[in-house]
Amino acid sequence: EADIYQTPRYLVIGTGKKITLECSQTMGHDKMYWYQQDPGMELHLIHYSYGVNSTEKGDLSSESTVSRIRTEHFPLTLESARPSHTSQYLCASSHRENQPQHFGDGTRLSIL
Amino acid sequence: GEDVEQSLFLSVREGDSSVINCTYTDSSSTYLYWYKQEPGAGLQLLTYIFSNMDMKQDQRLTVLLNKKDKHLSLRIADTQTGDSAIYFCAECSYNTDKLIFGTGTRLQVFP
Repeated sequence: EADIYQTPRYLVIGTGKKITLECSQTMGHDKMYWYQQDPGMELHLIHYSYGVNSTEKGDLSSESTVSRIRTEHFPLTLESARPSHTSQYLCASSHRENQPQHFGDGTRLSIL
Repeated sequence: GEDVEQSLFLSVREGDSSVINCTYTDSSSTYLYWYKQEPGAGLQLLTYIFSNMDMKQDQRLTVLLNKKDKHLSLRIADTQTGDSAIYFCAECSYNTDKLIFGTGTRLQVFP
C-alpha cells in the first residue's frame, strides 16, 4: 500500500493569502507530481519533479510554485490566492520511469 | 498530441458485470492504468497492464487491451454498490514518461 500524505484535506481561505499545500511520501520515490482536478473532471498535470532540486512545469499552466529540497517532500505554494485557484490538488509519486503513480487523498481548496 | 477518451457515464444493476471502455492515441504507450476515485478522495490504483499483454485478470477485474485498435477495457464482475465511483483510464507515454488521463467514467450501481 502506498504511503503518500497530503495536508490539509480541506482549506477555505480568503483572497490574497499565501498558501502552502503539503505532500510527503515515505516510499523513497524519486518522482513526484502535482495535479489539479475540478470536481468529477479529468486531471491536469501542473508540476513534477524527478528528484531533489529538480522541478518542471506540467501541461497546464499554473500560478503555483513547487520545491523539492528533500526526496520525501514536495510542497506546492500559491503566493496570493485567488478564487480561480479553487480546485482539488492531488499529489502523486512513483518509483521510476513507467511505474504506477500512487496518489494522496488530495487537498480541496476554496478561495473566497 | 496524446489523447485518451472514455464514455462519461455507465449505469448497471448490482450483481451484473460492468465494462468500462477507453481509447487512446499514443502508439508508444508502455503501460496503461485504471484508477478509481470515490467522492472527495484521491485516485486509487486498481490495476495496470503492460502494452505487450492482451489481458490481465485480478480477482473481479479483467483488463483487455487491443493494441491494434488502441482500445482498453475494464470489466468488473459481480458489480457491487461499493464499486460506484469514477474510473479513470491513463496511458504512460514512452516518449514523455507522463500519465495522460481520460475524462473518467462515472459508474453508478443500482440495486
